[in-house]
Amino acid sequence: QPVLTQSSSASASLGSSVKLTCTLSSGHSSYIIAWHQQQPGKAPRYLMKLEGSGSYNKGSGVPDRFSGSSSGADRYLTISNLQSEDEADYYCETWDSNTHVFGTGTKVTVL
Amino acid sequence: EVQLVESGGVVVQPGGSLRLSCAASRFTFDDYAMHWVRQAPGKGLEWVSLISWDGGSTYYADSVKGRFTISRDNSKNSLYLQMDSLRAEDTALYYCAKDMDGSGSYIGYWGQGTLVIVSS
Repeated sequence: QPVLTQSSSASASLGSSVKLTCTLSSGHSSYIIAWHQQQPGKAPRYLMKLEGSGSYNKGSGVPDRFSGSSSGADRYLTISNLQSEDEADYYCETWDSNTHVFGTGTKVTVL
Repeated sequence: EVQLVESGGVVVQPGGSLRLSCAASRFTFDDYAMHWVRQAPGKGLEWVSLISWDGGSTYYADSVKGRFTISRDNSKNSLYLQMDSLRAEDTALYYCAKDMDGSGSYIGYWGQGTLVIVSS
């Protein structure tokens, strides 16, 4: 089964950018992932599907400030022009043989 | 916009049973696979189970295999999770989630969750 590795925390100033990383385990570098955002006290929200090619497909209503990219086994979520409402936990998700797995999540703090 | 509303969460004793429900609306329910995902207090997301569009295929996390059963009733646009032999470590907020495919791909929509507390 794939394992997804995420940093525990990241921080950046209001109006700046932050780039989050989700790393796929060995042998799974081509896998598609999805990014989800969970604001404090709320349910998760789907942000985008991200392929190994770097192509991504965002969910309805996701601001243009959110973008995705890939390099090898790494899948990135970049948040530009950081806003206070972007302070949240961000999880990546993937699947193999219909068993799903989430990363441990990255907590983003807006300074 | 897709709507998923979970219900059935309560306080239950260890070893007890519980059935969660999820009422789905504003999309063609029987076109999509569905998931249950849980989140223990202060912890991250843990995938629990997946059911295909027709209910013909089901999958479980090792942590719940043999104790939980996922099912669906497409005539009622409803998803269920039967939880047996409950343990303290099953305490969590349980989310119903819609897949983006009929057989299972990635989660595209989430419900608001229902809280299950396993305690004596």
